[in-house]
Amino acid sequence: DTEVTQTPKHLVMGMTNKKSLKCEQHMGHRAMYWYKQKAKKPPELMFVYSYEKLSINESVPSRFSPECPNSSLLNLHLHALQPEDSALYLCASSQDLMAGWDQPQHFGDGTRLSIL
Amino acid sequence: KQEVTQIPAALSVPEGENLVLNCSFTDSAIYNLQWFRQDPGKGLTSLLLIQSSQREQTSGRLNASLDKSSGRSTLYIAASQPGDSATYLCAVRPLYNNNDMRFGAGTRLTVKP
Repeated sequence: DTEVTQTPKHLVMGMTNKKSLKCEQHMGHRAMYWYKQKAKKPPELMFVYSYEKLSINESVPSRFSPECPNSSLLNLHLHALQPEDSALYLCASSQDLMAGWDQPQHFGDGTRLSIL
Repeated sequence: KQEVTQIPAALSVPEGENLVLNCSFTDSAIYNLQWFRQDPGKGLTSLLLIQSSQREQTSGRLNASLDKSSGRSTLYIAASQPGDSATYLCAVRPLYNNNDMRFGAGTRLTVKP
């Protein structure tokens, strides 16, 4: 079982809906990540949070809005998505971005998102 | 911009065979390199992480090597088993943008009983 929990596992939504993806970890990690993965493609980094502060935004469209309410939780709010946004959305965490980079990232199983 | 390439894209071997997966990257200025395993519809499981100052890491039947100067890493799997069937991805953390992680497209491995 993964130590990073993502809900829901599957989500189908229309282009006008508003929904949120959730990610939770209780390993005491202070860095959390959102990735987007299209079928048979590698994951692409979307957002990085370090100590609950957004530290990188890879030019992701504003219809994706991340939120880190505390050190254990990471949300991704979705609004007015397009069919091309259908993908597997992966959350990951690592111990720390600051004090050394020799920590592996731990991934959740992802949310499979389908936009109708 | 860092580009990560994995060859082959797919590999099918009989059970018990030793095999090597390859990963190459264009910019040798990396902080570390990580190998992951991904089962269909699942997230990524970290297998091995090699620091830029290291040459190899081992875990059980897995051995990963790193030649930073030539921009190459290999993942060696000994005595392959059907349970090893998965997609294997390598990812590098760039030295000058170490908030980032760049992935290869992966090698899809099938081990036949």
